[in-house]
Amino acid sequence: GAGVSQTPSNKVTEKGKYVELRCDPISGHTALYWYRQSLGQGPEFLIYFQGTGAADDSGLPNDRFFAVRPEGSVSTLKIQRTERGDSAVYLCASSLTPSGRETQYFGPGTRLLVL
Amino acid sequence: DQQVKQNSPSLSVQEGRISILNCDYTNSMFDYFLWYKKYPAEGPTFLISISSIKDKNEDGRFTVFLNKSAKHLSLHIVPSQPGDSAVYFCAASGAGGTSYGKLTFGQGTILTVHP
Repeated sequence: GAGVSQTPSNKVTEKGKYVELRCDPISGHTALYWYRQSLGQGPEFLIYFQGTGAADDSGLPNDRFFAVRPEGSVSTLKIQRTERGDSAVYLCASSLTPSGRETQYFGPGTRLLVL
Repeated sequence: DQQVKQNSPSLSVQEGRISILNCDYTNSMFDYFLWYKKYPAEGPTFLISISSIKDKNEDGRFTVFLNKSAKHLSLHIVPSQPGDSAVYFCAASGAGGTSYGKLTFGQGTILTVHP
């Protein structure tokens, strides 16, 4: 089976624009996570889903960020009114269950650049 | 507030020698620890983990040691190989509450293994 895939791989946008980042998790994985990695830093947790519902969204920096997973599989991270500080690599991961002991499998990330 | 810290940004070792990567944490609720490895333009890949009820876990050339009283863990790679050159991230997860399922990462250590 395929691993976690993310599209687009790169996204360049202008300040103030709206962007959507997509994640296709491993088939059968019920838990899906979004992380953000800034230059020189480790991945920083944003949100995770158990099935269709957001189980923990405590990492979302502000209300410009929103994520959905309507059918419990594919997830979309949405950023409104982008700012230059949103530039980062956005990583998606999935695991069989949401236990912290389950291996999280990461996608290659979407590199977002806000000009 | 950096709850997981990797204080060495980089490490350089000779092929065949031991690589030791270190990680410190501050949150006593963390009870599961992981090491991920990341190559450029790829997502992090799981390497090895350890539960807080253990002080050592070994998998081939990789061994993770946990010192709970010092809130410190280390990853030993022996013998080191040039293909081990990558960024290594330490991560931790908690037993419940809002920590359940999410990983908190350190800043990463760039390991370079010279032939």
